[in-house]
Amino acid sequence: EDQVTQSPEALRLQEGESSSLNCSYTVSGLRGLFWYRQDPGKGPEFLFTLYSAGEEKEKERLKATLTKKESFLHITAPKPEDSATYLCAVSGGGADGLTFGKGTHLIIQP
Amino acid sequence: ETGVTQTPRHLVMGMTNKKSLKCEQHLGHNAMYWYKQSAKKPLELMFVYNFKEQTENNSVPSRFSPECPNSSHLFLHLHTLQPEDSALYLCASSQDWDSNQPQHFGDGTRLSIL
Repeated sequence: EDQVTQSPEALRLQEGESSSLNCSYTVSGLRGLFWYRQDPGKGPEFLFTLYSAGEEKEKERLKATLTKKESFLHITAPKPEDSATYLCAVSGGGADGLTFGKGTHLIIQP
Repeated sequence: ETGVTQTPRHLVMGMTNKKSLKCEQHLGHNAMYWYKQSAKKPLELMFVYNFKEQTENNSVPSRFSPECPNSSHLFLHLHTLQPEDSALYLCASSQDWDSNQPQHFGDGTRLSIL
């Protein structure tokens, strides 16, 4: 059974204070690891897909990296508008859908 | 319209009511999904449709009944729901059920069972 664990559950940062969110996973044959952003009252918004260990993707202040056991979402010099819940999900060999973690609730204070 | 659209955005119903949730995608995708999102829990996959055929039913109670008349539309028919069914119901679509494709989500229907 595929499993995803995200940490921390919540993170409060000052504007400009860089940090990283962690996503640890167990999957039988990783087909893809996905990062999403979810704002209150909205559905998850797709950010990145990572397919193999060593791969990195960047978008504005966000950078996602992948190893064989975990993924990190690095946020550099965050702004208040980066406040959201960040979700990690994996696609394994046996499932048709995605297995999600519980998310990290990120608050950036001005 | 673009993306994935869900209606209604909010729904309050009694335990004996019958209602339906609607999802429409304008992305040209062939696979559509229903997820349930409850507080403090991960998203739970409920149903998967690929080219209008159901490929996954994750042991969902029969009080939830999906319908996919074509690749662009997905419904979730609700009847005799329980209070624990109160949650955010999300629809998603992807190019096909090949699971290394990203899924794109609608903004959900917030369901409250009285």
